[in-house]
Amino acid sequence: GESVGLHLPTLSVQEGDNSIINCAYSNSASDYFIWYKQESGKGPQFIIDIRSNMDKRQGQRVTVLLNKTVKHLSLQIAATQPGDSAVYFCAEKWGAQKLVFGQGTRLTINP
Amino acid sequence: GAGVSQTPSNKVTEKGKYVELRCDPISGHTALYWYRQSLGQGPEFLIYFQGTGAADDSGLPNDRFFAVRPEGSVSTLKIQRTERGDSAVYLCASSFDEGAYEQFFGPGTRLTVL
Repeated sequence: GESVGLHLPTLSVQEGDNSIINCAYSNSASDYFIWYKQESGKGPQFIIDIRSNMDKRQGQRVTVLLNKTVKHLSLQIAATQPGDSAVYFCAEKWGAQKLVFGQGTRLTINP
Repeated sequence: GAGVSQTPSNKVTEKGKYVELRCDPISGHTALYWYRQSLGQGPEFLIYFQGTGAADDSGLPNDRFFAVRPEGSVSTLKIQRTERGDSAVYLCASSFDEGAYEQFFGPGTRLTVL
């Protein structure tokens, strides 16, 4: 059925370390994927996106990797900071505009 | 510029009551989306508007849920005969047009049905 799942519900890393958040998606026809960050009491905030014709895309301190063979998506955050603590969702686009979100991974940065 | 705004931020109602949730999209955005987010879960698609018309309402759970966007800007999500299971955060998002992939989210309305 429709689902975008995550391998780990929680992740704790030391401040300054790199973090990797993983996501498995189900719709092999999806052509667009997004990572969102959601802080407590706020709506999801766009981090980075990638289209299906790409394997990797880099932003500021973040990199998204897409492996279409195994339908896997990952978000890498370099040199994590306290402000990176949040829940991270991957989402895939179904059809014209519908986004299907995963359950989310809570990232905690330890000082 | 101003982002997506939603009112009220919190709504507490009793089972069986009617509620309206409002969304003001980013100025100039023609596409508007409603999602519902239960505790500990990712947002779940409800409905999508392009202009005034609902282009995809496949996510509305039942006929107690209805949404309008009469002038192609502000949208209202209406829930009749609320049930405790309707308790969630209702998120609104907008995008420049239906061809723009990035959706900008508002802060949400937390609905609690007692």
